[in-house]
Parts: sequence; structure tokens; C-alpha cells
Amino acid sequence: KQEVTQIPAALSVPEGENLVLNCSFTDSAIYNLQWFRQDPGKGLTSLLLIQSSQREQTSGRLNASLDKSSGRSTLYIAASQPGDSATYLCAVKEDSDKFYFGSGTKLNVKP
Amino acid sequence: DAGITQSPRHKVTETGTPVTLRCHQTENHRYMYWYRQDPGHGLRLIHYSYGVKDTDKGEVSDGYSVSRSKTEDFLLTLESATSSQTSVYFCAISESIQTNYGYTFGSGTRLTVV
Repeated sequence: KQEVTQIPAALSVPEGENLVLNCSFTDSAIYNLQWFRQDPGKGLTSLLLIQSSQREQTSGRLNASLDKSSGRSTLYIAASQPGDSATYLCAVKEDSDKFYFGSGTKLNVKP
Repeated sequence: DAGITQSPRHKVTETGTPVTLRCHQTENHRYMYWYRQDPGHGLRLIHYSYGVKDTDKGEVSDGYSVSRSKTEDFLLTLESATSSQTSVYFCAISESIQTNYGYTFGSGTRLTVV
């Protein structure tokens, strides 16, 4: 069974810092990987989706990379802002119709 | 979230009572999913649907049933609620199983079983 791990579980940084969130998965036979953001008491908002054939995707200050062979993905956030404070989850699509989620990294950006 | 509505948003129910949660979409997506989110367990798949009347079990399906009589509605039923089913329930939709499509999530239903 696919296992998805996110490290660290929590992270606190000062505003303006660049930061990296990590996601690792045990089975490299994935179709794609998706990064989500979850605000307290809210649903999940999709940030970036990387196909298995891609190495990275960018959206604004966010950049996600994928290394299938090593079972790793990173989410890079540039020039962090207090509004970036949220929980970030990654999910891998292993077979044709299911995703497996990590437990998330809770990010706090201090003003 | 645009295109997906979950109801109710909050519910408190007693142990042993039946409960039905509703997920409604206006996107005409084929695939619909029910997840539960619990501290320390992340998001776990309960059931999913790949078309009208076509459903299958996820990893934590015991105690839950689903129905999908129309493309836009996916119902999750707890036949006899237990305290272990206290959780936040999320519905998600996906347009296609092809690799370039991901999930869109609803805002969640917070269920408390007392």
C-alpha cells in the first residue's frame, strides 16, 4: 500500500523567508502528484498538479518539483507571507482512480 | 468551493441513529469521492463513484454506504452512527481518471456523534 509522508509536520518561519516543504512516497509508480492548501475549518484548495512525466510546475510564488525515481516531491514557497499560513497536503495518484494523502505540514508565517 | 456543495455543514447526532450526508456538484464530473479527515490519520477514502449507480469501496468503508442516482448527487449514509465516526467528511470530484486531472474538494461536513 502506498505510504505518503510529509516532513516537517509543522513549520514556523518569519515573513519574507523562502521555504521548502517535503513529500515522500513509497511506490514510484504514480500517475501524478497534487499539492493542496487547507485553511482551518475549510476544504482543500488545489495549488499545483504535476504529471508523472513532468519535473516541476510553477504558479506565482509556488514551485513544485517531482522526482519519481526517488519518491520525492518538494513545494517551494518564495518570499513567504502571513497569508500563506495554512496546512499543506500532498496527494499521489497511484492507480486509475484513487489518491493517497500525506498528513500535511502546518505552516505558520510570522509577521 | 465552486461547483461542489456539501450539506449539512455541521451535524450532531446520537449513537445508533442513521445519518445521511449529501454532496452536490454542478460540474458534471464523472468521478465523486467521500473522504474522512481525522487528526493523525490525514485524509482516508471511504467510498467513491465512477458513474451513476457505479460505486466502490475505499480503505475505510465499514459502517458506511453510498448511493449515486444522479450525476450531480453522491450520498454518504452512516447506517447506525458510532462515536468513532465523529470526523470531518469531505466530498471531492474529478473530471477524468486521465493523468492530467486532479481533485476539487467541497468545504466539508463536521459530524459529531454523541
